[in-house]
Amino acid sequence: GDSVTQMEGPVTLSEEAFLTINCTYTATGYPSLFWYVQYPGEGLQLLLKATKADDKGSNKGFEATYRKETTSFHLEKGSVQVSDSAVYFCALSSWTGNQFYFGTGTSLTVIP
Amino acid sequence: DSGVTQTPKHLITATGQRVTLRCSPRSGDLSVYWYQQSLDQGLQFLIQYYNGEERAKGNILERFSAQQFPDLHSELNLSSLELGDSALYFCASSMKRQGRLSGANVLTFGAGSRLTVL
Repeated sequence: GDSVTQMEGPVTLSEEAFLTINCTYTATGYPSLFWYVQYPGEGLQLLLKATKADDKGSNKGFEATYRKETTSFHLEKGSVQVSDSAVYFCALSSWTGNQFYFGTGTSLTVIP
Repeated sequence: DSGVTQTPKHLITATGQRVTLRCSPRSGDLSVYWYQQSLDQGLQFLIQYYNGEERAKGNILERFSAQQFPDLHSELNLSSLELGDSALYFCASSMKRQGRLSGANVLTFGAGSRLTVL
């Protein structure tokens, strides 16, 4: 069945460091891919999405490219800030659009 | 505000008790999903409803049940509560229209209901 595997955490970075959180997926057909972010004490929020191969999703300085050949959707940011400290979830929705699958989440802490 | 409303925000109860969590989906969304988030198990999918009908079941215990009403709000019932049921319970909604042609369906989450079982 469909599934998502993402990098284990926790990740601790200094402010202005480069961030990569790896995410790979297994799916039939053509899933849509997402990154969600959960700030402390809050629900999950959509960070970015990509609906087809080679699409790049971007938001708030974060980017991820839908790579069908490597079945990956890695999250990147060039310069992280303290306010980026949160848990990041990679997710996919199935070809039919009905089912969603989440990774285990990666906790990011950015220190000044 | 995401548009998905969950009540109550916090709930403290005792083992063996029964509670009901309520979710109002975003306006126009037909599908409701329930998730459990605990410290040691991450985000676990429980159950999905679409326009009043059960669509998919995940790791939902037999002590738990849910339904979606004609006005599309949903309730998650947790009974015979155990200490291990303490968790954050999230509701999410999606799907203004069914099917691939509607484009990527995005899940919109509520703020969650934090359940503490003592």
